[in-house]
Amino acid sequence: EAGVAQSPRYKIIEKRQSVAFWCNPISGHATLYWYQQILGQGPKLLIQFQNNGVVDDSQLPKDRFSAERLKGVDSTLKIQPAKLEDSAVYLCASSPRGNEQFFGPGTRLTVL
Amino acid sequence: GENVEQHPSTLSVQEGDSAVIKCTYSDSASNYFPWYKQELGKRPQLIIDIRSNVGEKKDQRIAVTLNKTAKHFSLHITETQPEDSAVYFCAARPPPDSWGKLQFGAGTQVVVTP
Repeated sequence: EAGVAQSPRYKIIEKRQSVAFWCNPISGHATLYWYQQILGQGPKLLIQFQNNGVVDDSQLPKDRFSAERLKGVDSTLKIQPAKLEDSAVYLCASSPRGNEQFFGPGTRLTVL
Repeated sequence: GENVEQHPSTLSVQEGDSAVIKCTYSDSASNYFPWYKQELGKRPQLIIDIRSNVGEKKDQRIAVTLNKTAKHFSLHITETQPEDSAVYFCAARPPPDSWGKLQFGAGTQVVVTP
């Protein structure tokens, strides 16, 4: 089966600019997650969707980050405006009914 | 919330030796403990997982043990090979467990030297 797809793979922006990431989960997976992975750390959950509804966004910096999952399939994560500390890899994952999570290749964001 | 601590942060082993990584968790109600392997520049991939109703699980050269009383779980890799070199992450799923939210440890960099 096709895996989780993410784009772009790399993005370099200057601070205060905006950026958006896209994720296409594995077909049929109801649960979708966005993680932030800072170099040398484990993934940190930013937001979790069940179909098109938000289940958990307690660690999402809502003043600058937003995410949506229209129609319960693809999802976008946006940062506006970006800060230097947002430099990280943004991982999208999906799972069937909240069990094993399958990760995408990630988007490496560098904020200058 | 759940807090997962992972040790050691780096582990260097000779090819053929065993490697052990330990994790502790804080929420006694956590019930699912996966281990992910992440090679440099690649996505995390699940290598083994264990649920709270099981004490040990094995898959070829890797095994995971869970001690619910002490709230810790460990990954054991036997007969290590150079391709085992990667960062390994443990995770725990705290309640409510309906939607699979995971809390990850900080990771262990494993280096297998020939």
